[in-house]
Order: sequence, then C-alpha cells, then structure tokens
Amino acid sequence: QITLKESGPTLVKPTQTLTLTCTFSGFSLSTSGVGVGWIRQPPGKALEWLALIYWDDDKRYSPSLKSRLTITKDTSKNQVVLTMTNMDPVDTATYYCAQGYSYLDYWGQGTLVTVSS
Amino acid sequence: SYVLTQPPSVSVAPGKTARITCGGNNIGSKSVHWYQQKPGQAPVLVIYYDSDRPSGIPERFSGSNSGNTATLTISRVEAGDEADYYCQVWDSSSDHPVVFGGGTKLTVL
Repeated sequence: QITLKESGPTLVKPTQTLTLTCTFSGFSLSTSGVGVGWIRQPPGKALEWLALIYWDDDKRYSPSLKSRLTITKDTSKNQVVLTMTNMDPVDTATYYCAQGYSYLDYWGQGTLVTVSS
Repeated sequence: SYVLTQPPSVSVAPGKTARITCGGNNIGSKSVHWYQQKPGQAPVLVIYYDSDRPSGIPERFSGSNSGNTATLTISRVEAGDEADYYCQVWDSSSDHPVVFGGGTKLTVL
C-alpha cells in the first residue's frame, strides 16, 4: 500500500523560508521510474505544480518559482523535502506531495500553509 | 510555457453524459491525465495516458485526445461525480514538464 504524508509548519511569516517534508511508504525512490512531486492549491483556486524529483536525482522546477525552490530526497528515510524561500501571503495554499513519473497516481492528504505576520 | 484551457463549469443531469474538455496547442501529440477532486480532499487520478483507467475507477469514466482538444467523458453521471476535474500533461523535454489545466467544476443538477 502506497501512502504519502506532508508535514511542516502551518503558519510562516512573510520573508521566511518554508520547509516541507513528504514521508512516504510502499515504494522506494531508488527504484527506476519513480518520482515524487510537490503541488500546491491556494484556497478556492486551481492546482499548481511546483517541483519533481526522480529516482536518478533528476530535479525539475516550475520556471516561475525556480529561484525560490529546492527539492531533495533522502532515500534511506523515504522522505522528500521541499524548501521555498522568501514566503509571501500569496503563497498561502494547501501543499501536496504525490508519487509518479508523468502522472501522479498517489497523493498525500495535503497540508495547509498560511503566510501571515 | 504550455497552456491548458478548461471550461470553468459544466452542468449535467443525473444519468446523462458529461464531457469536460481540455484545450492545448497540438495536445493530441501529448499524453493527458485527468484528476477528480472533491471538496476538502486530495485529487484522485481518474484517467492516465489519454484513456487508461486506474484500478477502482468506474468504466463510466473515459478519455480521448486528438488535435487541440482532450476530453474526459463521464457516462451515466451520478451525484457522487460532482467535483472539480483537472487535466494535466507532461513533457519531459520542457523546462515546465508538468502543467495543470485551470480545472472544471462539474455540477450534477
């Protein structure tokens, strides 16, 4: 059974750095063809893809956010970490991690991050 | 980057067929995936690679993709199908490999 769960702060202040962790089970990120991505969804708005990391450590970022994002993996811990710098109130959203390569077939429950002073 | 265009809303009566479109430049040359998202829940994959269904997804859900339009078709619509639906494409050669459409709210009348 594949599961993913996001964890991290629920509230961050403007200009701070957000660090989110995706802890997963039921698959290995060292297996060929496997990837884990981050997607966010502002309240009442559409899904927005942020970043993906693959089994071979290939990393892809949304061009509009690339300068602020870093995605890393810890295969031994079954975790993927996303950091986003210089947080702003417009970054308030539910952040999801999901497993997949070209499509995302398993998703975490999401975590709501609010950016406010 | 690549843009996917979905109608904001589609309404359909129970038992009828709903068609949700996803427009993009030559989208027929790409693989399209579809997600269903109910309020307060994470998205669920309902169609991948244009027309394949994951296990557990009813046969009422089908997909097609040609030219500049991909379509998610839901036959014999039920009240439980009311949700937001998102299309998504993946292009490994792009600097923006994962793109989502803006989403379509399906209302069951």
